[in-house]
Amino acid sequence: AQRVTQPEKLLSVFKGAPVELKCNYSYSGSPELFWYVQYSRQRLQLLLRHISRESIKGFTADLNKGETSFHLKKPFAQEEDSAMYYCALSGSQDDKIIFGKGTRLHILP
Amino acid sequence: EAGVAQSPRYKIIEKRQSVAFWCNPISGHATLYWYQQILGQGPKLLIQFQNNGVVDDSQLPKDRFSAERLKGVDSTLKIQPAKLEDSAVYLCASSLAGSLYYEQYFGPGTRLTVT
Repeated sequence: AQRVTQPEKLLSVFKGAPVELKCNYSYSGSPELFWYVQYSRQRLQLLLRHISRESIKGFTADLNKGETSFHLKKPFAQEEDSAMYYCALSGSQDDKIIFGKGTRLHILP
Repeated sequence: EAGVAQSPRYKIIEKRQSVAFWCNPISGHATLYWYQQILGQGPKLLIQFQNNGVVDDSQLPKDRFSAERLKGVDSTLKIQPAKLEDSAVYLCASSLAGSLYYEQYFGPGTRLTVT
């Protein structure tokens, strides 16, 4: 069964410290992985996706098929990074996106 | 460009009542999605339309939920009758096409409280 696991409900990090939001997935084929973000009082929006191999707002994510992980990383946290982050998966067979439960990132001043 | 519009933004109803939500996608977007997001969880896809046809409604509780997109533009999602467990935020999203290569754009959501 397809599943996305985000083990941390809340992650608090000091400004300037590195950030790592964990995401593990379960999928029998070749998945596409995404990170979505929701800032306070804003809409859910795409942050980055594996297929684009891009860095957005200083965030990167590497797909590790051996560990079935897609952790989101940023070397130096900024206060504006405080938000809810959702890891998501889509299978190669269909376009349905499955979301994890989300991790709230709180950047401390 | 204008984003995905949803109304109402908030709705409070009693159990066994009916409720309808409306979504207007971004102009030109062929694919429209309805998601249910229960507190503390990620969004869960209820139904996906490609123009006015249903692509996936496997997770839609069809005994009480219905959705339509008659002219391939606006869409409505209805719950009849509502249950307490239907309390959630209902998100509408749209994309140019149904491929995962096209970004989904989300609306602000409708927060439903069933008492």
